[in-house]
Amino acid sequence: SQTIHQWPATLVQPVGSPLSLECTVEGTSNPNLYWYRQAAGRGLQLLFYSVGIGQISSEVPQNLSASRPQDRQFILSSKKLLLSDSGFYLCAWSVAGIGTEAFFGQGTRLTVV
Amino acid sequence: AQSVSQHNHHVILSEAASLELGCNYSYGGTVNLFWYVQYPGQHLQLLLKYFSGDPLVKGIKGFEAEFIKSKFSFNLRKPSVQWSDTAEYFCAARRGGYQKVTFGTGTKLQVIP
Repeated sequence: SQTIHQWPATLVQPVGSPLSLECTVEGTSNPNLYWYRQAAGRGLQLLFYSVGIGQISSEVPQNLSASRPQDRQFILSSKKLLLSDSGFYLCAWSVAGIGTEAFFGQGTRLTVV
Repeated sequence: AQSVSQHNHHVILSEAASLELGCNYSYGGTVNLFWYVQYPGQHLQLLLKYFSGDPLVKGIKGFEAEFIKSKFSFNLRKPSVQWSDTAEYFCAARRGGYQKVTFGTGTKLQVIP
């Protein structure tokens, strides 16, 4: 069966520090991968999605970037965090091609101080 | 631009009351539709999905949703809610043939015993 791992679960980082959140999927090949940010009253905002290695689509201009160095690995990064980057970040995957529902990881609570 | 609208932000019901949460999407053509639920402290789970066929979709835990193409709607219903249905509910959509999944802002449901 397929599983998705996202870490860390919580993270406190100072303003100006770098960020790296990692997400990996097991049990499937060539998944679509997504990064969302969940904020109260704003629902889930799609930040990035990827349909293959090295293919990243950015949805919202911001201080973050994403990379997909391997088929089932999706990384969310920042060179210098801002206070406004605080939030709950969710990684998700779906089956490529035919389109299915998205399956979510447990999320990372990021607090920038 | 693709968008998903959920007009009810916070709903409070007594146990055994009927539930209907609204969801509208803004683009035409083939569409895949989803309802997700997030129970307190838990990750997002799929309640039900519509891809094609019967526009009345049955999901888990007694939930159902009806796809009305002419109204661009996919409302979630449950005839009799329980206290355990207290959660946040998200509608999501994917345009047919595309990989991007867009979410609404969510509806917080509080069921009073």
